Amino acid sequence: DAGVTQSPTHLIKTRGQQVTLRCSPKSGHDTVSWYQQALGQGPQFIFQYYEEEERQRGNFPDRFSGHQFPNYSSELNVNALLLGDSALYLCASRLSPFLGVGGYEQYFGPGTRLTVT
Amino acid sequence: GESVGLHLPTLSVQEGDNSIINCAYSNSASDYFIWYKQESGKGPQFIIDIRSNMDKRQGQRVTVLLNKTVKHLSLQIAATQPGDSAVYFCAEHNQGGKLIFGQGTELSVKP
Repeated sequence: DAGVTQSPTHLIKTRGQQVTLRCSPKSGHDTVSWYQQALGQGPQFIFQYYEEEERQRGNFPDRFSGHQFPNYSSELNVNALLLGDSALYLCASRLSPFLGVGGYEQYFGPGTRLTVT
Repeated sequence: GESVGLHLPTLSVQEGDNSIINCAYSNSASDYFIWYKQESGKGPQFIIDIRSNMDKRQGQRVTVLLNKTVKHLSLQIAATQPGDSAVYFCAEHNQGGKLIFGQGTELSVKP
């Protein structure tokens, strides 16, 4: 049973560029969340997708956008990259919290390390 | 605003000793808490969880204690091993599934 997978593992971009990160959820999971983890900090919630819609959003600017596909995989897009966007981007999946079924456990992928120069 | 924080940024213990990692949270309405372990270069790994209607939950070598009166959470690791060396985060869960993480405690196990 494959867990959460993310690609690429590492990425280097220049200020002002755009980036797309990808996530495949754990088998059987339908809800995907994205988190940003700066060095030495805990992960910060960016947004959550369920049924191809953004359901919750954290305190991140509109430069951060996402998408969920019918197979539940997801993308995170960041436009106009800033040096401060350098971080580990984590994807987490779970069964929907909106149906009242399943546990609360969220499973994380290994992350994508983004460096903006 | 909501926040989950940890008392100590680093903890060093001798192999075989018990470890206790603490966490304070601020949202008294939170109903679910999770401890994650994160090794270098990896994503957070689920360790144990607890719901707010409980005050203690035990797993294999780990125990989580919840004190809602003072909004405090702790993780106890019995017979700490070198493989336990990692950063440990507590996280608070809201109804929609958003996790609010603290800054983390780095556990170092000395052989």
